[in-house]
Amino acid sequence: DVKVTQSSRYLVKRTGEKVFLECVQDMDHENMFWYRQDPGLGLRLIYFSYDVKMKEKGDIPEGYSVSREKKERFSLILESASTNQTSMYLCASSLYIRVGGNTEAFFGQGTRLTVV
Amino acid sequence: GENVEQHPSTLSVQEGDSAVIKCTYSDSASNYFPWYKQELGKGPQLIIDIRSNVGEKKDQRIAVTLNKTAKHFSLHITETQPEDSAVYFCAAPKRGLTGGGNKLTFGTGTQLKVEL
Repeated sequence: DVKVTQSSRYLVKRTGEKVFLECVQDMDHENMFWYRQDPGLGLRLIYFSYDVKMKEKGDIPEGYSVSREKKERFSLILESASTNQTSMYLCASSLYIRVGGNTEAFFGQGTRLTVV
Repeated sequence: GENVEQHPSTLSVQEGDSAVIKCTYSDSASNYFPWYKQELGKGPQLIIDIRSNVGEKKDQRIAVTLNKTAKHFSLHITETQPEDSAVYFCAAPKRGLTGGGNKLTFGTGTQLKVEL
């Protein structure tokens, strides 16, 4: 059974803290994603990685960075957490297909982050 | 970039009735349109997708239709059951530095409630 695992279901952090959200996939997928989910706004792409050490900004990268040192692991970093980063964070992975390539994205269960 | 609009934001139906959710997209080059279902406390999961070379695809009680000329696609659920209650997201490919494949722009979601 394919699996994307996020390290925490719930997280409470203080304003100004550096926060790490971890995601691991066991499907040997090249692509990994971090989305943010807010009511009425759907899923918005924060960052995307298509290979180890490769990354691309999504729609809302401000205040976030990412790290992909190993193929199976993709970390989202909040450099200095703020209350407007309180949200549900979803990690996903998918197989890379070079031509005409869109493949199923597999999501983790989400991390609900509260910044106080 | 791609813009995806989804309607309605909430939908309530009686068990056994049909439910229809509609999405429009802006990029005429888009060629892949998935639908994801998110149950409470879980990450989204792909339920059906369609590529631009077909106009309709069915899988048991679920169907998706695509109108490329009008740039809209719809999810149809027949004979709804309580377990269909969830949030549904449509999506379309998002262009980016890596050529557009594999990244998605999501709609804002539809909360479907199937009432007994």
